Amino acid sequence: QVQLVESGGGVVQPGRSLRVTCVASGFTFRSYSFHWVRQAPGKGLEWVANISDDEKEYYEDSVKGRFIMSRDNSKNTLYLQMNSLRADDTAVYYCVRDGMVLGEMDYWGQGTLVTVSS
Amino acid sequence: IQLTQSPSSLSASVGDRVTITCRASQGISHYLAWYQQNPGKAPKLLIYAASTLHSGVPSRFSGSGSGTDFTLTISNLQPEDSATFYCHHVYNYPRTFGGGTKVEIK
Repeated sequence: QVQLVESGGGVVQPGRSLRVTCVASGFTFRSYSFHWVRQAPGKGLEWVANISDDEKEYYEDSVKGRFIMSRDNSKNTLYLQMNSLRADDTAVYYCVRDGMVLGEMDYWGQGTLVTVSS
Repeated sequence: IQLTQSPSSLSASVGDRVTITCRASQGISHYLAWYQQNPGKAPKLLIYAASTLHSGVPSRFSGSGSGTDFTLTISNLQPEDSATFYCHHVYNYPRTFGGGTKVEIK
């Protein structure tokens, strides 16, 4: 079955960096695009970034230039490198598969919490 | 593209029919999906392409609309439908979500 498992969250000081990871299983990883979606405590969903199957990247404006999404098809793994972190980056970060029919997000990981605080 | 959901919350009884609307700030054809998020859980896909039910989703959920106005309907509301529902456009980048509609069971 399709599984997405995030890790790497934690507490980090403002201005520092953190990398979160998502390991996928149960499907042909290299054939799919993926997203990161975040949710601040008590708030709604916010799309963060996307990487296509041919490694094109797209970013939400507030993270552009600070976050980098990448993939390693040999390891079925996604990464989100987060630099110059700010307090408003505090959120649960979800790794999400793009269903590739019409851009729908068909499978979600359980999320990893990133807290930016001094 | 901004997505405006209404209402932001509602309370209904088991067996009721519930309708949630999502309005896009510009036309997005049928490039819209709906998600359900139960408390403390990751969101789940309900509907994509505005009206196509995702595999395994109960048939009491349905979606309609095109262009700028969309609806999610839950017929025969069940206790497990107590959740927050989000619309999401997939028309272009950046993708955005609606603000959410919290459904409470009376």
